[in-house]
Amino acid sequence: GAVVSQHPSWVICKSGTSVKIECRSLDFQATTMFWYRQFPKQSLMLMATSNEGSKATYEQGVEKDKFLINHASLTLSTLTVTSAHPEDSSFYICSAREAGTSNYGYTFGSGTRLTVV
Amino acid sequence: GNSVTQMEGPVTLSEEAFLTINCTYTATGYPSLFWYVQYPGEGLQLLLKATKADDKGSNKGFEATYRKETTSFHLEKGSVQVSDSAVYFCALSDGTGGFKTIFGAGTRLFVKA
Repeated sequence: GAVVSQHPSWVICKSGTSVKIECRSLDFQATTMFWYRQFPKQSLMLMATSNEGSKATYEQGVEKDKFLINHASLTLSTLTVTSAHPEDSSFYICSAREAGTSNYGYTFGSGTRLTVV
Repeated sequence: GNSVTQMEGPVTLSEEAFLTINCTYTATGYPSLFWYVQYPGEGLQLLLKATKADDKGSNKGFEATYRKETTSFHLEKGSVQVSDSAVYFCALSDGTGGFKTIFGAGTRLFVKA
């Protein structure tokens, strides 16, 4: 079945540095990828939708200059948390929608736990 | 807008007990409905889905029926196991808004041996 690889699975960084998280579709082409943030014991909050070759669409309240999303190919999207601060510590999860499909459930990555110290 | 409401947890059951996790939705169109499961420290896995009214999704002993008249998609399992302990998310997705998936708040299930 479809597999989405997310890397790294966890990262600890110093306040003020930037962190890049990768999301790759391994055996399918993903026209659309979604980035979510999950706080402890809470649901997933959609941060942005990225379409290959175009600018990401950010949800209300998400700072686009802080959370940079690039979707340069049909198999790779990246989320860069710029100038990270402790309040950015969270679990980030991506999901991918396969090209040519509609709404039949997307494949999720295994998530990245970011801790900013 | 679209939304999903599911029962609050945590739900604690003994092994082999019957499980029901309620889920209701609000949608303007005809969404597809999903249940996802999240094990500790992991991402989400699609558990089951239903794409139209009266469809029943099933997987690993879990099942849920798409009820349009009651706008519900309750998750059930006849006999839970300790390994079913996880967080369960009800979700919907439709063709509007760029195929976004809207998640419920999640229900944590603990199964005791």
